[in-house]
Amino acid sequence: GAGVSQTPSNKVTEKGKYVELRCDPISGHTALYWYRQSLGQGPEFLIYFQGTGAADDSGLPNDRFFAVRPEGSVSTLKIQRTERGDSAVYLCASSLLGTGDSPLHFGNGTRLTVT
Amino acid sequence: GENVEQHPSTLSVQEGDSAVIKCTYSDSASNYFPWYKQELGKRPQLIIDIRSNVGEKKDQRIAVTLNKTAKHFSLHITETQPEDSAVYFCAASGGGGADGLTFGKGTHLIIQP
Repeated sequence: GAGVSQTPSNKVTEKGKYVELRCDPISGHTALYWYRQSLGQGPEFLIYFQGTGAADDSGLPNDRFFAVRPEGSVSTLKIQRTERGDSAVYLCASSLLGTGDSPLHFGNGTRLTVT
Repeated sequence: GENVEQHPSTLSVQEGDSAVIKCTYSDSASNYFPWYKQELGKRPQLIIDIRSNVGEKKDQRIAVTLNKTAKHFSLHITETQPEDSAVYFCAASGGGGADGLTFGKGTHLIIQP
């Protein structure tokens, strides 16, 4: 079956612009996670959804970052007033249960470059 | 919150030899410890995981050990092959169950022919 799908695969934007990154999880997976990976680092947790609600958004770095999952499937990560420091690969993952010990399946990521 | 330390950052071994990567974690409530392999420009892929009620798990050439008392876990790869070259990440999940994984900084494994 289809894995986690992320679009776009690459996004280049100018400093100060607004961007949206999309994630389509594996069908039937209730839990969805967003991570950010900088060069040479491990993925850094941003936010976790169980169904439609954000169960844990403690990893969002500031209020310029926001994510939604209105129908409990597709999620969009939104970044306002982008800064050069936001440049990274944004990874989405889904898991069947989201119980903390349910394996995460990652998408290929969106490489965001802020110029 | 959870903190995961991973060593070494780079590991070079001869093809056919074994490789060991070690991680420590800080939250004694963590109960799930997966390992991911990431090839250049690709997504992280789960290769093996272990839960806190088990001390060791093996899958062909890959094994993971967990010492809950010492709060450390290790990945062991035997009979290494060129296709094992990649960056490996350990991770730990918080005891709250719903929290996201906390990852180590990664180990770049290089298999020398």
